[in-house]
Amino acid sequence: DVKVTQSSRYLVKRTGEKVFLECVQDMDHENMFWYRQDPGLGLRLIYFSYDVKMKEKGDIPEGYSVSREKKERFSLILESASTNQTSMYLCASSSQPGQIYGYTFGSGTRLTVV
Amino acid sequence: AQSVTQLGSHVSVSEGALVLLRCNYSSSVPPYLFWYVQYPNQGLQLLLKYTSAATLVKGINGFEAEFKKSETSFHLTKPSAHMSDAAEYFCAVRGDTGRRALTFGSGTRLQVQP
Repeated sequence: DVKVTQSSRYLVKRTGEKVFLECVQDMDHENMFWYRQDPGLGLRLIYFSYDVKMKEKGDIPEGYSVSREKKERFSLILESASTNQTSMYLCASSSQPGQIYGYTFGSGTRLTVV
Repeated sequence: AQSVTQLGSHVSVSEGALVLLRCNYSSSVPPYLFWYVQYPNQGLQLLLKYTSAATLVKGINGFEAEFKKSETSFHLTKPSAHMSDAAEYFCAVRGDTGRRALTFGSGTRLQVQP
């Protein structure tokens, strides 16, 4: 069964910490995405990548960066965690062209910043 | 820019009743449209998608949606609700030309009463 795996289901971090959220897919997909999900706001795009070492900003990139050194792995980095980054983070991947085939999602990482 | 509006953040139906979840979209290009479902503590799962073929799209678990260009709508329906349908549902539209990311609505939480 094809999968998108997010390394942690729950994380608790302190304000100011550097936080790494990891996502791995085993489908050889070109595109990978990071969204955050908040009640009443749906999913908002943080960053996405359409190739190794390529990245594009989404709608809310401030306070985040990403890394894609290998095709299967896409990491989200919170440079200095703040309480307003407490959220559910969802990783997804898609083949080309992703808009037709839709996404495969991971199970999410619920991050709490205290 | 593409956008999606989901009318009703919460919908409650009785078991066996019709389910209708509303989605209206805005798109400057011919749209690809998706419905996803999220069960508690899980990632999102694709229910169905419209990619410019038949306007009535059938998905998993007995759901279907009809693309109506004149109304810019893509409402999700199911003739008879089951308790297991209780979840959050998200409508999504393809991104702007050249942008490979989907834009999601704010979600509708479906409750099914016994």
